[in-house]
Amino acid sequence: GESVGLHLPTLSVQEGDNSIINCAYSNSASDYFIWYKQESGKGPQFIIDIRSNMDKRQGQRVTVLLNKTVKHLSLQIAATQPGDSAVYFCAENSQWEAGGASYGKLTFGQGTILTVHP
Amino acid sequence: DTGVSQNPRHKITKRGQNVTFRCDPISEHNRLYWYRQTLGQGPEFLTYFQNEAQLEKSRLLSDRFSAERPKGSFSTLEIQRTEQGDSAMYLCAARTSGGLTDTQYFGPGTRLTVL
Repeated sequence: GESVGLHLPTLSVQEGDNSIINCAYSNSASDYFIWYKQESGKGPQFIIDIRSNMDKRQGQRVTVLLNKTVKHLSLQIAATQPGDSAVYFCAENSQWEAGGASYGKLTFGQGTILTVHP
Repeated sequence: DTGVSQNPRHKITKRGQNVTFRCDPISEHNRLYWYRQTLGQGPEFLTYFQNEAQLEKSRLLSDRFSAERPKGSFSTLEIQRTEQGDSAMYLCAARTSGGLTDTQYFGPGTRLTVL
């Protein structure tokens, strides 16, 4: 079936460095992608999203890049801080309409563990 | 604060017992989702409600699982005759219809341990 996956399961960086987390997706029909951050014992926290009609979107210290040609998504975190340490997931939103109703669900990748050393 | 609360946060039960979890989104979130997450994995979709109607169920949702959203507000997920393989984090997510974003906002989850 369709799936979303991550290239690197772990990433260790020094405080202040920039971090790049990568994600490959396989459902070319998907038109929306989300990055989530999940800390231990907590639910996923929204970071940033991007639609397929864009190739770049910036937030506060974060940038998401989308390359539809190779079905690749990345999350860049600038000036990484210890508080950024968490598991990061990319998710693909699949949505469709049928019988007058709207359906949708997220398909997540396995996650990348980001560790930031002070 | 995502506007989605879940109770209980932790549940320990013995195999064969029934358990029920509750999710309370804010009123604007008419779309509600349940996911299951095992250690080291991303959340997996279980089921979806639009208002009170359950519109989609994953094949992961066996006959022992049932979800309801009777008034289109809070939702419950019940697992009957729990098995050790049911041990996981159960996450509820919600969002509004329309708008500029399809983002789902997650609650803190309920950690289930089946002994």
